[in-house]
Amino acid sequence: GESVGLHLPTLSVQEGDNSIINCAYSNSASDYFIWYKQESGKGPQFIIDIRSNMDKRQGQRVTVLLNKTVKHLSLQIAATQPGDSAVYFCAENPDNYGQNFVFGPGTRLSVLP
Amino acid sequence: KAGVTQTPRYLIKTRGQQVTLSCSPISGHRSVSWYQQTPGQGLQFLFEYFSETQRNKGNFPGRFSGRQFSNSRSEMNVSTLELGDSALYLCASSLADRDTEAFFGQGTRLTVV
Repeated sequence: GESVGLHLPTLSVQEGDNSIINCAYSNSASDYFIWYKQESGKGPQFIIDIRSNMDKRQGQRVTVLLNKTVKHLSLQIAATQPGDSAVYFCAENPDNYGQNFVFGPGTRLSVLP
Repeated sequence: KAGVTQTPRYLIKTRGQQVTLSCSPISGHRSVSWYQQTPGQGLQFLFEYFSETQRNKGNFPGRFSGRQFSNSRSEMNVSTLELGDSALYLCASSLADRDTEAFFGQGTRLTVV
């Protein structure tokens, strides 16, 4: 069935280093993807999105890369800070109608001092 | 600009009871989606409403239902509660009809005892 999966459940990085969080999606028809950050006790927070007609999109300290050939999505965080510690989810919209997102299981990012 | 507001934040119910959760979307947003988040299943889509009509529905039993009012506020109802319904219920709102940023509220933590 449709699914969005993550390769690593946890990721630890040194403060100041770059982080890369990966995601594999299964539905080749998905044309819209979002990365979310969820801190403890809070709802998911929108980070960045990308449409299938793009390979790369940059935000403030974050970059999302989309490889449609292998159905892979990644989130790069530059100069990782303690405030980046959270669980990160990728989400795809596999439907052509409506906002129905399929979420990956999430990756917990821990930033070490 | 106020974000997505969910009430109540916490709720404890007994098996067999029913519960109603409320979501007020960001002003101007017409799409409201509901998700269930549990440690075991992650974030799972329940249903989406757009202009007072249910547009998408996830794979949940009929005990889970929802509705949307003319002001875009939405409610979801769970009848005959089961222990497995204990979860964080999240609401997300979007401006347009599809493939746009979805913003989440902080969720309602439901505990069924």
